[in-house]
Amino acid sequence: GAGVSQTPSNKVTEKGKYVELRCDPISGHTALYWYRQSLGQGPEFLIYFQGTGAADDSGLPNDRFFAVRPEGSVSTLKIQRTERGDSAVYLCASSLFSGGADTQYFGPGTRLTVL
Amino acid sequence: AQSVTQPDIHITVSEGASLELRCNYSYGATPYLFWYVQSPGQGLQLLLKYFSGDTLVQGIKGFEAEFKRSQSSFNLRKPSVHWSDAAEYFCAVGALSGNTPLVFGKGTRLSVIA
Repeated sequence: GAGVSQTPSNKVTEKGKYVELRCDPISGHTALYWYRQSLGQGPEFLIYFQGTGAADDSGLPNDRFFAVRPEGSVSTLKIQRTERGDSAVYLCASSLFSGGADTQYFGPGTRLTVL
Repeated sequence: AQSVTQPDIHITVSEGASLELRCNYSYGATPYLFWYVQSPGQGLQLLLKYFSGDTLVQGIKGFEAEFKRSQSSFNLRKPSVHWSDAAEYFCAVGALSGNTPLVFGKGTRLSVIA
């Protein structure tokens, strides 16, 4: 079956611009996670959705970052006034249910480059 | 708070040789433990996971890992490495309860030489 998909695969933008990154989870998965992976690092948690609501947004670095999941399926990560330090690979994952036990399936990521 | 340490940033092994990638975790209770592999341009793929029971866990692609509570370790092993195993490997820990996300180590890059 189809896995987690993310678009675009690459995004180059200029400092100060606004970007949106999209994630399509596996059909039927209720939980959706966003992670950020900087060069040479492991993925770091940003935000987690259970259904339509953000259950935990403690990983968002500041208020320039925002994410939505209005219908409980597709999610969009939004970054305002991008900075060079935002350059990273943004990973999305989904799981059938929430909770530490459930396997998270990852998408290929969106590589964001802020010039 | 949970944390994961992967002491080896980069390991090089010969094709056909055995492999062990180290992972140490810090968590106050019984953790859920995972190993993921990431090939260039690819997403993270789950190799195996440990929740409870048998401490030796078998995964895909011939990998296995052993949970050792006394050492807070979850090392990944493979008896004979193939060139296609060259990739980045990440160990991760999840909480037993609640909806906490995974905490990842910084990864170990595996190179395979002929």
